Amino acid sequence: GAGVSQSPSNKVTEKGKDVELRCDPISGHTALYWYRQSLGQGLEFLIYFQGNSAPDKSGLPSDRFSAERTGGSVSTLTIQRTQQEDSAVYLCASSLVWSNEQYFGPGTRLTVT
Amino acid sequence: AQSVSQHNHHVILSEAASLELGCNYSYGGTVNLFWYVQYPGQHLQLLLKYFSGDPLVKGIKGFEAEFIKSKFSFNLRKPSVQWSDTAEYFCAVNRDTGNQFYFGTGTSLTVIP
Repeated sequence: GAGVSQSPSNKVTEKGKDVELRCDPISGHTALYWYRQSLGQGLEFLIYFQGNSAPDKSGLPSDRFSAERTGGSVSTLTIQRTQQEDSAVYLCASSLVWSNEQYFGPGTRLTVT
Repeated sequence: AQSVSQHNHHVILSEAASLELGCNYSYGGTVNLFWYVQYPGQHLQLLLKYFSGDPLVKGIKGFEAEFIKSKFSFNLRKPSVQWSDTAEYFCAVNRDTGNQFYFGTGTSLTVIP
């Protein structure tokens, strides 16, 4: 079956512009995670959605970052007024419940020039 | 703060050599432990996981890991590596009371035929 998909696969934007990154989780997966992976770093947790519960936003690095999940499925990560330090690969993962195996998407490589 | 340390950043082995990749975490409570692998050009995928029970867990492709609670460690092992094991390996920890997953910075394994 279909895995987690993310779009776009690559995004180049100018400093100060807003960007939206999309994640389509596996159908039926109630948990959804966003991570950021910077060069030479591990995966940094950003935000977690579980069903209809309030999301865990504790990993968002600043108020320029926000995310929503519509209808319990597709999620969008928005970065406003992008900065060069936002350049990274943004990964999305979904799972059936929070403690189970996470299935990762291919990521979106964001480059801020 | 919770952290995950992977001691080896880059490992180079010849085929048939034995592998052990270190992983230590800092949280003292109950944890769930994971090893993920990312083959070149592919998504992150789960190798194995530990939730409870036998501290020696076996995963796919002949990998195993041992949870040693007293050492806060979850080292990954394989008795005989193959060229196809060339990949990036990530250790991850999830506290049983939270949603966040904490990832190490990864170990790049290169297996020489």
